[in-house]
Amino acid sequence: DSGVTQTPKHLITATGQRVTLRCSPRSGDLSVYWYQQSLDQGLQFLIQYYNGEERAKGNILERFSAQQFPDLHSELNLSSLELGDSALYFCASSATGQGIYGYTFGSGTRLTVV
Amino acid sequence: DQQVKQNSPSLSVQEGRISILNCDYTNSMFDYFLWYKKYPAEGPTFLISISSIKDKNEDGRFTVFLNKSAKHLSLHIVPSQPGDSAVYFCAATPYSGGSNYKLTFGKGTLLTVNP
Repeated sequence: DSGVTQTPKHLITATGQRVTLRCSPRSGDLSVYWYQQSLDQGLQFLIQYYNGEERAKGNILERFSAQQFPDLHSELNLSSLELGDSALYFCASSATGQGIYGYTFGSGTRLTVV
Repeated sequence: DQQVKQNSPSLSVQEGRISILNCDYTNSMFDYFLWYKKYPAEGPTFLISISSIKDKNEDGRFTVFLNKSAKHLSLHIVPSQPGDSAVYFCAATPYSGGSNYKLTFGKGTLLTVNP
C-alpha cells in the first residue's frame, strides 16, 4: 500500500457519459498529480494541484477537469466520454521537502468506455 | 512530441545476467532523471534516480548511468532476477526543488527475466 488511494479501481461506462475519479493523497502530501496511461503510451501528465490550487497543466482535454478539496483529496472529472478515453488513470502525491523521492503513485483507475 | 524515449518496448534476459534498459531525452532543461518499476495492477514505484551533476548512481543491484552530452541514460540490473520482471519507465524533470514538479515519462520497457 503506497498510501495514495484511488477509487474506483475499475470503471466501465458508455460513450457520452461522465465519470468522476477520486484520489486521496498520502497523509500530509499537499501536491496531487494526475496521469493518463493509454494503450502503447507512456504516462501522460494531465494536471497538478498544490494545496487546493492548480499549479501545472499538461495534455488535459477540455472535456476533463479536476479539483483538489480542502481535505486535499482530488477528483478528476471526465465528461462526454469517447472510446479513446479508455485508459489507466493514475494519481500521485508528493510532499514539500521530500523532493523527487516523495512522488508516490496510487494503483490507478482503469476506465473502459464502451 | 516525445521528450523522453524508450525505444525498446520489451527486453528478455536470463536470470543472473545483466539487464540494460535505455532511455533518451530531448529536452535540455531536464536535470533530474528517475526510473520507475511497474507491476501489473499496481502503480509505478520509484526505483532509482540521478541528478545531472552525476554520471552514475548505484543502489544495490541497480545502477543508472547518465551521458548528458548524448542525452542518454541507462539502467543496469545485475544480476537480474525473475522478480525484476516488470515494466520500467524512465522519467525526467527540470527539478528545481520543493514539491511542485512534473515528471515526463517514456512509454516504458517490459523486462522479462527468465529462470
